Amino acid sequence: DTEVTQTPKHLVMGMTNKKSLKCEQHMGHRAMYWYKQKAKKPPELMFVYSYEKLSINESVPSRFSPECPNSSLLNLHLHALQPEDSALYLCASSRAGTGGVNTQYFGPGTRLLVL
Amino acid sequence: GQNIDQPTEMTATEGAIVQINCTYQTSGFNGLFWYQQHAGEAPTFLSYNVLDGLEEKGRFSSFLSRSKGYSYLLLKELQMKDSASYLCAVRDRGNDYKLSFGAGTTVTVRA
Repeated sequence: DTEVTQTPKHLVMGMTNKKSLKCEQHMGHRAMYWYKQKAKKPPELMFVYSYEKLSINESVPSRFSPECPNSSLLNLHLHALQPEDSALYLCASSRAGTGGVNTQYFGPGTRLLVL
Repeated sequence: GQNIDQPTEMTATEGAIVQINCTYQTSGFNGLFWYQQHAGEAPTFLSYNVLDGLEEKGRFSSFLSRSKGYSYLLLKELQMKDSASYLCAVRDRGNDYKLSFGAGTTVTVRA
């Protein structure tokens, strides 16, 4: 099973709203990722959690706040977003640690529209 | 950092073969991945190369030459459902979690 699930599939929010994106995997992976993807562009890495600790933050604005409550769940809290933040937000997971293939498996994404 | 180049678009006929090239420059290579992404959907893993040579998986094959900083994805017996974007992604030594993606190659399969 290589399934990563994400909710919601679609989200429309105003610039003053607070919302959260959720991601879940049951593959026993200990690395989880958030990516942002704009139309016709490749995914851009935002955050990486490794063993439930924030490992990489790619200088993402503080209006995006990640959280990893346990080894299966990853959240992305959104607050005071801008219209340019509208994009497809992808979650991925992989095995953790060095030396392995550590293939990243992606969820279906949340399509976010900020009005 | 990485510099990854792929062609923007390719068109081929159903049943034909298409080869998508990817060139990269890296300070420390630690693996290359190919992903397929249909419009509006998530990327799905196709193949992984870390040693030189050809990896075959059914209709899809991927080749790597580390000395040339070059890989290709070969799609055989093209089907209409193969119309998608194909992403080349390189991992650098020293950070197993960070993939640098190419801009993607949009393949259109025509009847």
